[in-house]
Amino acid sequence: DGGITQSPKYLFRKEGQNVTLSCEQNLNHDAMYWYRQDPGQGLRLIYYSQIVNDFQKGDIAEGYSVSREKKESFPLTVTSAQKNPTAFYLCASSIAQHGELFFGEGSRLTVL
Amino acid sequence: AQSVSQHNHHVILSEAASLELGCNYSYGGTVNLFWYVQYPGQHLQLLLKYFSGDPLVKGIKGFEAEFIKSKFSFNLRKPSVQWSDTAEYFCAVTPSGGYNKLIFGAGTRLAVHP
Repeated sequence: DGGITQSPKYLFRKEGQNVTLSCEQNLNHDAMYWYRQDPGQGLRLIYYSQIVNDFQKGDIAEGYSVSREKKESFPLTVTSAQKNPTAFYLCASSIAQHGELFFGEGSRLTVL
Repeated sequence: AQSVSQHNHHVILSEAASLELGCNYSYGGTVNLFWYVQYPGQHLQLLLKYFSGDPLVKGIKGFEAEFIKSKFSFNLRKPSVQWSDTAEYFCAVTPSGGYNKLIFGAGTRLAVHP
């Protein structure tokens, strides 16, 4: 089955710890994205990547970092610099510009 | 900056009622428009999209949306909702000809009662 796999589904961390969320896709899509979903705010773009070894900041990149060493993988690190990291994180991919985004099931991060 | 506004945050309907969810965007150029749906416990999935052509687009599960350029609107409609339509609905926009960087609205939670 083709799709996007995010892990872990639930994650609890203490303040001050960095956390890495995994996103893997087997759809052979060039572009990958990370969004953050908060109640009442919809989805906000954190980072996106059009091709391997290249990525751009989205609207709320501060306190986050990404890498794109392989086409199928786009991990997101939530650093201790992120002031309000507790949220639901969604990874997505698309085949090309203007195409439909395919989403993973999300990772819910809670910082205690 | 581009933005998307969804007017209703929560909508409660009875089965068989008609549905219209409002979506307005702010962007002066040509856009591509989307509606996504998130059913409880499931991932976001595309309901329908508009790129060009007929401004009335039909999507899955009987949903349709109408693009009215003069009003910067892309409202979602369904003539008769079912309990299974209970979900959160997101409108999204991206400039045409640019990179696929979708801007989402805040979402509308729809609850359909039997």
